[in-house]
Amino acid sequence: AQSVTQLDSHVSVSEGTPVLLRCNYSSSYSPSLFWYVQHPNKGLQLLLKYTSAATLVKGINGFEAEFKKSETSFHLTKPSAHMSDAAEYFCVVSGVNDMRFGAGTRLTVKP
Amino acid sequence: GAVVSQHPSWVICKSGTSVKIECRSLDFQATTMFWYRQFPKQSLMLMATSNEGSKATYEQGVEKDKFLINHASLTLSTLTVTSAHPEDSSFYICSAGGPTSGDISTDTQYFGPGTRLTVL
Repeated sequence: AQSVTQLDSHVSVSEGTPVLLRCNYSSSYSPSLFWYVQHPNKGLQLLLKYTSAATLVKGINGFEAEFKKSETSFHLTKPSAHMSDAAEYFCVVSGVNDMRFGAGTRLTVKP
Repeated sequence: GAVVSQHPSWVICKSGTSVKIECRSLDFQATTMFWYRQFPKQSLMLMATSNEGSKATYEQGVEKDKFLINHASLTLSTLTVTSAHPEDSSFYICSAGGPTSGDISTDTQYFGPGTRLTVL
C-alpha cells in the first residue's frame, strides 16, 4: 500500500522569497515520486519526478526536490518565487498501476 | 510528445441521462489509463484503472455499474456516467501511461485537461 501526505494545505510567500512545499510518503517498495502543478482551470502539469536515480531532482520552472529515504520525504523547493508560481501543487507516489495523490498544497505568492 | 486529450471539456446534462467522456493519448500508445474525480478545492480521487483489452479495476466505493469504463484500444478510453445525478457533478480527469518510448516512460502518467460535468 502507498500513501502520501502533504504537510501544508496552504503556503503563502512573498515574490522573490524561497518556496518549500513539504511531502512525506509511505510505500512498501521503492516508489516513484512526482510533483504536479495545477493552475486554475488548467490540467495537471508534471514538474519533476524521482525514479531511483539522483536523489536531487531538478524540474521545470526552477523547481527541484530532494528524495530522502531516511525521512521518507520528497519536499519541493524553489529559490525565488514568482507570481506565476501561484497554483495548486500535488505530491504523488506511484507504483505498478497504482498512483496516489496528496491532498494538495495551495501556493499563494504575494507581490 | 505525451499529449492526452479529453472530450468534451465541459458538459451539462439533465438528471437521469448518461454522459460519455473520452480520453485519448494523441502521440503514444497507452497500456494503462486512470480515471480521477476532483471536487472543488480538493485533491484527485482515483476512481478506476483500466488496461487495454481487459476490465477496469475500480477503487473501493466507486460504483462500477454507474461509471462504465472502456479501454478498447491503446489510444482511447471512455468513461460513461450512467443515469447521472447532481451529486455526480464534478471535474473528471484521465491520465495515460505507456511503454517506454523516447521521453515517455511507464512510470509517468500524462494527464488530460479534464472534463467538467454539471448535472442539472
